[in-house]
Amino acid sequence: NAGVTQTPKFQVLKTGQSMTLQCAQDMNHEYMSWYRQDPGMGLRLIHYSVGAGITDQGEVPNGYNVSRSTTEDFPLRLLSAAPSQTSVYFCASSSPGGSSYNEQFFGPGTRLTVL
Amino acid sequence: LAKTTQPISMDSYEGQEVNITCSHNNIATNDYITWYQQFPSQGPRFIIQGYKTKVTNEVASLFIPADRKSSTLSLPRVSLSDTAVYYCLVGTPGTYKYIFGTGTRLKVLA
Repeated sequence: NAGVTQTPKFQVLKTGQSMTLQCAQDMNHEYMSWYRQDPGMGLRLIHYSVGAGITDQGEVPNGYNVSRSTTEDFPLRLLSAAPSQTSVYFCASSSPGGSSYNEQFFGPGTRLTVL
Repeated sequence: LAKTTQPISMDSYEGQEVNITCSHNNIATNDYITWYQQFPSQGPRFIIQGYKTKVTNEVASLFIPADRKSSTLSLPRVSLSDTAVYYCLVGTPGTYKYIFGTGTRLKVLA
């Protein structure tokens, strides 16, 4: 299993450009999420999905769009990049079930710089 | 969602036991407590999870008092490779909104 994969690893954008960060998982997990982590800070939840066709907003959703057409993929779209979106982006997945608060598996991250 | 409070940073020496405490005064009845570890330039990694009393695995122990308003992550005999940021999360299964705080930056010294 590759686990959670993210592409690209690094990206530089100019203000106003758009792009899509890719995230895929091969563990058949229902739950997937996107976080951003600014330097020296904790992770903040952007959007999450509890299954194909179902998405919801997290703490900091503005400026980002998501969709979930398959169980495996959960892309994050920046429609018009702004310098404030310079950050490291992490994708995560987990499998709900039982009564426990299930372990999330994280990807390696995408480091995005917006000039 | 229960808010958590952790020390910003801690230093320890190799071979010592490290205890990191997390405060979660408004924890709900159905909430579980989960700890993650994050190394630089990597995504967080699950360490341990518990609901009450004590949980132990091959990496750490988690102590949760009866009132569940705090929890303590215990790392036995730390090594330099345990230098990382440790996050405490509190949440209810099925809510899916996992909120990370700022974490505790542990530095292990030789």
